[in-house]
Amino acid sequence: QKEVEQNSGPLSVPEGAIASLNCTYSDRGSQSFFWYRQYSGKSPELIMSIYSNGDKEDGRFTAQLNKASQYVSLLIRDSQPSDSATYLCAVNPAIYSSASKIIFGSGTRLSIRP
Amino acid sequence: EAQVTQNPRYLITVTGKKLTVTCSQNMNHEYMSWYRQDPGLGLRQIYYSMNVEVTDKGDVPEGYKVSRKEKRNFPLILESPSPNQTSLYFCASSLSGTRLRWTNEKLFFGSGTQLSVL
Repeated sequence: QKEVEQNSGPLSVPEGAIASLNCTYSDRGSQSFFWYRQYSGKSPELIMSIYSNGDKEDGRFTAQLNKASQYVSLLIRDSQPSDSATYLCAVNPAIYSSASKIIFGSGTRLSIRP
Repeated sequence: EAQVTQNPRYLITVTGKKLTVTCSQNMNHEYMSWYRQDPGLGLRQIYYSMNVEVTDKGDVPEGYKVSRKEKRNFPLILESPSPNQTSLYFCASSLSGTRLRWTNEKLFFGSGTQLSVL
């Protein structure tokens, strides 16, 4: 079982709609969770981090965390063509003593159609 | 401008020919890391460094070496490259590897190095 799992997509969403990206993780003790966006041919960039159960909002982005279900999601409201990218879920698993360990999922490719 | 600089951007080489991919950051970051990205496998950590002269293995260290003699530089060395090391490589840095877990501390990524080993 992969430590961080994402549907590879592509996920196609009409412009202006809500895009919902999902991620599950295997280490129940994981404490910190991140969403990175990666445009084609570019490097990843952090867009959201979340540490507590519930929702965290930043502009059009909302990260949702449910530790009981080992599930983290990213909602993008009012989707724009510029949101078309691959979204990487990343987790800092508790099993690692080093705080610097970040495990990435393989990413979900999101396509916003005009 | 704050950045992580990787060189070269593209590299084609042959099996067994030693190569070095350089990584330099100008942000005085303590933490640096190397990842490789392959289709369907995501980003996998090769090596990381918490500070000068402190390095440790990531998930896929076989066939790679690193060194951290200076804070700003973290080169990735392939002593005898093989075709299975063909991949997209990213260097990343962060202010502190310890704080990476609990704060909004983020990883700054370089532009990537596309390596092909024939």
